[in-house]
Amino acid sequence: SQTIHQWPATLVQPVGSPLSLECTVEGTSNPNLYWYRQAAGRGLQLLFYSVGIGQISSEVPQNLSASRPQDRQFILSSKKLLLSDSGFYLCAWNRDRLNQPQHFGDGTRLSIL
Amino acid sequence: DQQVKQNSPSLSVQEGRISILNCDYTNSMFDYFLWYKKYPAEGPTFLISISSIKDKNEDGRFTVFLNKSAKHLSLHIVPSQPGDSAVYFCAASANTDKLIFGTGTRLQVFP
Repeated sequence: SQTIHQWPATLVQPVGSPLSLECTVEGTSNPNLYWYRQAAGRGLQLLFYSVGIGQISSEVPQNLSASRPQDRQFILSSKKLLLSDSGFYLCAWNRDRLNQPQHFGDGTRLSIL
Repeated sequence: DQQVKQNSPSLSVQEGRISILNCDYTNSMFDYFLWYKKYPAEGPTFLISISSIKDKNEDGRFTVFLNKSAKHLSLHIVPSQPGDSAVYFCAASANTDKLIFGTGTRLQVFP
């Protein structure tokens, strides 16, 4: 069966510090991968998605970047965090076929001080 | 522009009764709809989906209804159980892998 792992579960970072969140998927190959952010009291906003190694699409202009160095690894990064980057970050995957549900990791709670 | 709307931020239902969660959308190109359940500090869990060629899909206690003319879908949970207490998100896509999520409805099932 397929599993998705995100770490760390919680992170407290000072403003201006760098960020690296990692997501890996097991049990499947060539998945579509997604990064979402859930701000307090709001829905899930798609930040990035990837259909293959090195292929990244950005949905919203922001202070973050994403990379996919391996087939089942998706990384969310920032060089200098802002207060507005606080939130709950979720990684998700689905099969590379149309109308496949996305399956989420347990998320990372990021607090910027 | 919120393409997927969940206008009720919260819903409270007695155990054993039916829970009805509603979702409206504006994009007539949406052809695939999903419901997710989310507990605090966890990622959303996929519950049930429906494609636009159907108007109903059932899985155990969960049934999703789609009314394309009204651009409305609903999730029925019957009978409701205390473990169903969570935030429920509806989501939609238009012939693409990208999902547009609603803002969620918090369901509380009380004894």
